[in-house]
Amino acid sequence: KAGVTQTPRYLIKTRGQQVTLSCSPISGHRSVSWYQQTPGQGLQFLFEYFSETQRNKGNFPGRFSGRQFSNSRSEMNVSTLELGDSALYLCASSLTSGGNNEQFFGPGTRLTVL
Amino acid sequence: AQSVTQPDIHITVSEGASLELRCNYSYGATPYLFWYVQSPGQGLQLLLKYFSGDTLVQGIKGFEAEFKRSQSSFNLRKPSVHWSDAAEYFCVFLMFSGGYNKLIFGAGTRLAVHP
Repeated sequence: KAGVTQTPRYLIKTRGQQVTLSCSPISGHRSVSWYQQTPGQGLQFLFEYFSETQRNKGNFPGRFSGRQFSNSRSEMNVSTLELGDSALYLCASSLTSGGNNEQFFGPGTRLTVL
Repeated sequence: AQSVTQPDIHITVSEGASLELRCNYSYGATPYLFWYVQSPGQGLQLLLKYFSGDTLVQGIKGFEAEFKRSQSSFNLRKPSVHWSDAAEYFCVFLMFSGGYNKLIFGAGTRLAVHP
């Protein structure tokens, strides 16, 4: 069974631009969660989608948004990029919603904002 | 405040030596706790988890962790470290708040293994 895939693996953007990241979960998994990892703040939860609905959310500004499609694939969008948005963005999939289910992580998308 | 703390940022051990990575939590009830490992250039992998029951939990790759309520700790151990264990280890806590539940990650402990 294929693991969680994320595209693209690397991105370079400039301040003010927007970016869309994609995550394909493990087949059969219906929950996708997104995390931001930075050296200063560590790993922080962004949001979780299950059955095309946002179920959980972290403490990030509205510039960070996401969606999930009927095939469970998920996209994350960041608008009006700031230098501080440079990070590794990880997505994780699980069978059902709720953090108590094992989450399988993808390799991440490294976003650099110049 | 609900939180998880990993006191050690970096740890270096010799191959074959025993390992203990510390984790302390702050929560009013019995927490759901996890240990994840992140190897260079790879995603996070679940090592083990504790929800309830037996306080000594076994995980993959020969790791184990012990939940101690009296000390608010969930330390990760391995009797003999292999060079391939060099990675970053995260203690993770499941927080329930306002109808949401989300994983709260500790700052991580970076493990280096000397041959």
